[in-house]
Amino acid sequence: GENVEQHPSTLSVQEGDSAVIKCTYSDSASNYFPWYKQELGKRPQLIIDIRSNVGEKKDQRIAVTLNKTAKHFSLHITETQPEDSAVYFCALSGNTGKLIFGQGTTLQVKP
Amino acid sequence: DAGITQSPRHKVTETGTPVTLRCHQTENHRYMYWYRQDPGHGLRLIHYSYGVKDTDKGEVSDGYSVSRSKTEDFLLTLESATSSQTSVYFCAISEIGGEGEQFFGPGTRLTVL
Repeated sequence: GENVEQHPSTLSVQEGDSAVIKCTYSDSASNYFPWYKQELGKRPQLIIDIRSNVGEKKDQRIAVTLNKTAKHFSLHITETQPEDSAVYFCALSGNTGKLIFGQGTTLQVKP
Repeated sequence: DAGITQSPRHKVTETGTPVTLRCHQTENHRYMYWYRQDPGHGLRLIHYSYGVKDTDKGEVSDGYSVSRSKTEDFLLTLESATSSQTSVYFCAISEIGGEGEQFFGPGTRLTVL
């Protein structure tokens, strides 16, 4: 079945630095890879997603890369700001039509 | 935020009592989901629905049942609550299912004593 491992579980960076979160998966049928951000006490919200026919996607300071051969995808945040502090979840979807979420990464951006 | 609400927002109950959580949407989305969120485990799918009266199990469905008699409402029932079901429960909706954006409700914090 589908499974996703997310690393690191916590990440602390200085404001202005870059942050990278990586997820690995096992099911080669997975073809949709979204990332969700959850601020403290709030609901998760989609920030970016990528499909299997694309290797990279950017949206301002965030980008996602996908390596289907190696079965991993990563979230890149550049020029981090304090408001980027949150929990980030990767997820994937394949033939089952359900989203499977990673365990989450708590990102702290220090001013 | 998408038109999705959850009730109650907080509940404290005792072991062995039945509990029903309600998810209500005004977006007319076909797909609805129930997740639980626990530290270190991310979001785990309990049950989901792909239409009125059409439901299926997720990865942590034991001890939970669901019903969907109308497009806008998706109910999650704990038949006999246990302390291991203490968690934050999120409902989510999606227009196209697993490969589309999911919009989450505000969450329900459930404590089972």
